[in-house]
Amino acid sequence: EPEVTQTPSHQVTQMGQEVILRCVPISNHLYFYWYRQILGQKVEFLVSFYNNEISEKSEIFDDQFSVERPDGSNFTLKIRSTKLEDSAMYFCASSELRTQYFGPGTRLLVL
Amino acid sequence: EDQVTQSPEALRLQEGESSSLNCSYTVSGLRGLFWYRQDPGKGPEFLFTLYSAGEEKEKERLKATLTKKESFLHITAPKPEDSATYLCAVQAGNNNDMRFGAGTRLTVKP
Repeated sequence: EPEVTQTPSHQVTQMGQEVILRCVPISNHLYFYWYRQILGQKVEFLVSFYNNEISEKSEIFDDQFSVERPDGSNFTLKIRSTKLEDSAMYFCASSELRTQYFGPGTRLLVL
Repeated sequence: EDQVTQSPEALRLQEGESSSLNCSYTVSGLRGLFWYRQDPGKGPEFLFTLYSAGEEKEKERLKATLTKKESFLHITAPKPEDSATYLCAVQAGNNNDMRFGAGTRLTVKP
């Protein structure tokens, strides 16, 4: 069964450093998403991406975040200058239409 | 503001003891209501999509129902492997993003 994959599974970084989180969505899906989940809290929407551009973003997705689909298979989330409060699980999701399928997540720890 | 509220926060059942989880929502223009299962440290695993009031979906021991205000996830004769956090999420308006509830943490004791 096709699934969303994410790398790395864990990332530890120093405050102020840039990180890139990578995702390979399900191959025939057209819509891509990033969500985050701070430990013990709700899953929160960050951004959606369709037809090579951002279609929606939340207030969390400020100028330090960016997304890119650099080739036909990868979808990345970049955090330019990490803060302590960026520590969370980051989930990539993809969908053909409305139902979104999630990857296993990247656990980001900012020290 | 769109709201998704799940209850109870936590539920402990004995194996075989059926129960229901609730997801109440206040959104404008519901496009879909989704149930996911999440195991610790893992990503949400898709269970069901419901689109309109009166709709029901079933899978093994789980059955999801939808009204105009809430959804229920019924668990019949649960087993210990059903222990997980169950998440409800909604899509509304013209948006594709999903708004999640806080989840119900289910523990099934053998």
